[in-house]
Amino acid sequence: DGGITQSPKYLFRKEGQNVTLSCEQNLNHDAMYWYRQDPGQGLRLIYYSQIVNDFQKGDIAEGYSVSREKKESFPLTVTSAQKNPTAFYLCASRYAGGLDTEAFFGQGTRLTVV
Amino acid sequence: GESVGLHLPTLSVQEGDNSIINCAYSNSASDYFIWYKQESGKGPQFIIDIRSNMDKRQGQRVTVLLNKTVKHLSLQIAATQPGDSAVYFCADRSPGSARQLTFGSGTQLTVLP
Repeated sequence: DGGITQSPKYLFRKEGQNVTLSCEQNLNHDAMYWYRQDPGQGLRLIYYSQIVNDFQKGDIAEGYSVSREKKESFPLTVTSAQKNPTAFYLCASRYAGGLDTEAFFGQGTRLTVV
Repeated sequence: GESVGLHLPTLSVQEGDNSIINCAYSNSASDYFIWYKQESGKGPQFIIDIRSNMDKRQGQRVTVLLNKTVKHLSLQIAATQPGDSAVYFCADRSPGSARQLTFGSGTQLTVLP
């Protein structure tokens, strides 16, 4: 089945640690995105990538880093510089060839700082 | 900056009734709109989309209405079922934007028995 997979589902981080969230898609989508969702809030864009080896900052990129070495993969690292990392993280992908296409989402990773 | 927002944070409806979820957007240049459904602890799922050259689009039990004059979007769910309980987000995209969709804060729909 084609889809977008995020792992792990739950992640705990100690203060000062970097952690990496995985996002893999087998939809052959060019564009991939990372969003952060806080309780009762909408989705805020962290980073996005339109093509391999290229990515752009979103609205809240500080304290995060990404890489896009493969079309299928877009991992997100939450660094120690992110002061309030506890949130629900969503990865999405989209076929960028068409003008109007929806984004497909993974099931999310819930990150908690302990 | 431009933003997409929702009028009501919560909505409760009786099972079997119709639901209407509203959304206001501020970017008059937005040309594509999507409604997503998000169940607790899961990622958003696509429901229906509409382009700015349309004012209505129907899916299975859902209808999206777009009023560009007042920059308003609504999602109508017919014969609401318990499985429809979720948070509903609208999102918009501006033309020429290589970025992504801008999401509102969501409406929590609760279906009462």
